Amino acid sequence: DIVMTQSPDSLAVSLGERATINCKSSQSVLNSSNNKKYLAWYQQKPGQPPKVLIYWASTRESGVPERFSGSGSGTDFTLTISSLQAEDVAVYYCQQYYSSPFTFGPGTKVHIK
Amino acid sequence: QVQLLQSGAEVKTPGASVKVSCKASGYSFSAHYIHWVRQAPGQGPEWMGWLNPSGGGAKYAQKFQGRATVTRDTSINTVYMDLRRLTSDDTAVYYCARGRGVSLNWYFDLWGRGTLVTVSS
Repeated sequence: DIVMTQSPDSLAVSLGERATINCKSSQSVLNSSNNKKYLAWYQQKPGQPPKVLIYWASTRESGVPERFSGSGSGTDFTLTISSLQAEDVAVYYCQQYYSSPFTFGPGTKVHIK
Repeated sequence: QVQLLQSGAEVKTPGASVKVSCKASGYSFSAHYIHWVRQAPGQGPEWMGWLNPSGGGAKYAQKFQGRATVTRDTSINTVYMDLRRLTSDDTAVYYCARGRGVSLNWYFDLWGRGTLVTVSS
């Protein structure tokens, strides 16, 4: 199974400042046949299901604000919120969908400093 | 309206079984895999398994093999997740989620609201 880890566990950022969350997979999630990285980022607010923000490691889902961006290689990935807004307070999870079981990271809780 | 509508909360005793339903609407039911994901209180999501609504094939995380069964009824666009021999560790919110593409390896773009299953004596 591919193990996903995230850092930090928790992150306090001032409004308007940058937030950076890291995710690492225990093996590559890059499919060399199509050059796609099978990595997604989700945002989850209390009492709600996860909501996809980024897929293929760097493609923003429709309707997601431009302040959210993703990047990374085959095993190391980053979610960046360029200018934190109050509504971004949530837990963020990475997930690999390269191979079953489709594992999630443990989450990073983002709150306001 | 494109949505996944899940059944209501359940309270079960240890050793019992639970069956959670997930009704799809607003899109072609057979065209997208359905996944089941659970989330224990204060924990991250845990993927349980998938079902291909087109052929009915299913696969489970090793942890749930032999204890979970996912089925579908194409006449009413509904997927079911049956979990047996419940313990207190199964207390969680259970979500169904749709895979975005028509093949297996896609991210989850549509989620149900979740079904809280509480296991308590």
